[in-house]
Amino acid sequence: DAKTTQPNSMESNEEEPVHLPCNHSTISGTDYIHWYRQLPSQGPEYVIHGLTSNVNNRMASLAIAEDRKSSTLILHRATLRDAAVYYCILSFGGAGSYQLTFGKGTKLSVIP
Amino acid sequence: AAGVIQSPRHLIKEKRETATLKCYPIPRHDTVYWYQQGPGQDPQFLISFYEKMQSDKGSIPDRFSAQQFSDYHSELNMSSLELGDSALYFCASSERGGRQNIQYFGAGTRLSVL
Repeated sequence: DAKTTQPNSMESNEEEPVHLPCNHSTISGTDYIHWYRQLPSQGPEYVIHGLTSNVNNRMASLAIAEDRKSSTLILHRATLRDAAVYYCILSFGGAGSYQLTFGKGTKLSVIP
Repeated sequence: AAGVIQSPRHLIKEKRETATLKCYPIPRHDTVYWYQQGPGQDPQFLISFYEKMQSDKGSIPDRFSAQQFSDYHSELNMSSLELGDSALYFCASSERGGRQNIQYFGAGTRLSVL
């Protein structure tokens, strides 16, 4: 299985941008890069995903390295509600479904 | 918008008892996933169903079984419960299972085995 490596924890000041890195040096050509987050006592929540090109949505931006061996999740203005564990996950699975393999994730703390 | 519904939200059982967890996916979602999250742990994939057929199997104990019904809801049956089964159990659903498909998670069922 292709694996990901993320820092255990990061801190950010409120209303400042946050860059969450992820290394996935063994990624295969057809693997998608997904980001989910889990707020305390809640189920995981989809944030963003991409294959090769950078992606933007209302929650965040995803910057993917040209060789696809790393990616960065960008929260443009961190709020207290963004404090969560952020998981970088590569898609995996057989026909019909693709389970998510959660690694350790990065625990993001947002300082008021 | 409709979300994934899990019931019950909390469940307390004794050792060696059985438990049934239910999951109602988002309408028109045909794929259901079950995950287990132990205390202080990351979610671990248990099993998934696509169009009512088992699709993938993860680290699901033999004491557990699951199925997806004709209305696409799913049930996770757990027998001979052990203390170590105490965890949060999440169900997720997606539409037309595939690598791009986003998984939407329910709020989870917290199972406590005493």
